[in-house]
Amino acid sequence: EVRLVESGGGLVQPGGSLRLSCEVSGFTFSDYYIDWVRRAPGKGLEWIGRSRNRARGHSTDYAASVKGRFTVLRDDSRNSLYLQMNSLKIEDSAMYYCARTDVSIVKDLDYWGQGTLVTVSS
Amino acid sequence: QSVVTQPPSASGTPGQRVTISCSGGSSNIGSKTVNWYRQLPGTAPELLIYNNYQRPSGVPDRFSGSKSGTSASLAISGLRSEDEADYYCASWDDSLSGMVFGGGTQLTVL
Repeated sequence: EVRLVESGGGLVQPGGSLRLSCEVSGFTFSDYYIDWVRRAPGKGLEWIGRSRNRARGHSTDYAASVKGRFTVLRDDSRNSLYLQMNSLKIEDSAMYYCARTDVSIVKDLDYWGQGTLVTVSS
Repeated sequence: QSVVTQPPSASGTPGQRVTISCSGGSSNIGSKTVNWYRQLPGTAPELLIYNNYQRPSGVPDRFSGSKSGTSASLAISGLRSEDEADYYCASWDDSLSGMVFGGGTQLTVL
């Protein structure tokens, strides 16, 4: 069974940092891309970053709204992906999801985690 | 404002067929595949349609997707009350080097 489980969310002050984790099981982690997507209260889904598979050198891409502040890190040995979030802003408050992408059949975000909530507030 | 646009709301009665449109540009829908996602209240999003028209296993054939040029659409036939949810289209954008979601369409079953 494919599973993605996020953790690490919580309350943080503006300007602070937080690291989210996404632990996966049920598939060969190194073969897949993993994306981070968030949904802020009252807003729609927003893609924020991607880590490609080992074949693509674990290259990354980021949305303009988080580039330079967020970093996606990957540890294939632990079947885990991390989202390091620095210089957090109030508008970063959202539910954060990790999701798998099967690039071999162009199947983006085919499995999702349950999400972890980040609240940025003073 | 998103580079990919959807109507903010749609509605239909049980048994009806509804269509949700998704409009983009040459750097996304026009040259890349389109996916559709559904998010029920309080749950994680789920993939409904990938590669423009393909359904993952387990998604009923009441859901269908199509694409033409820089636009795509999701059709839901035999509408049910449990179809009430937010629906999103998405596509990779080569100019932005990122995935772009439409703003989402809230579907109401009357």
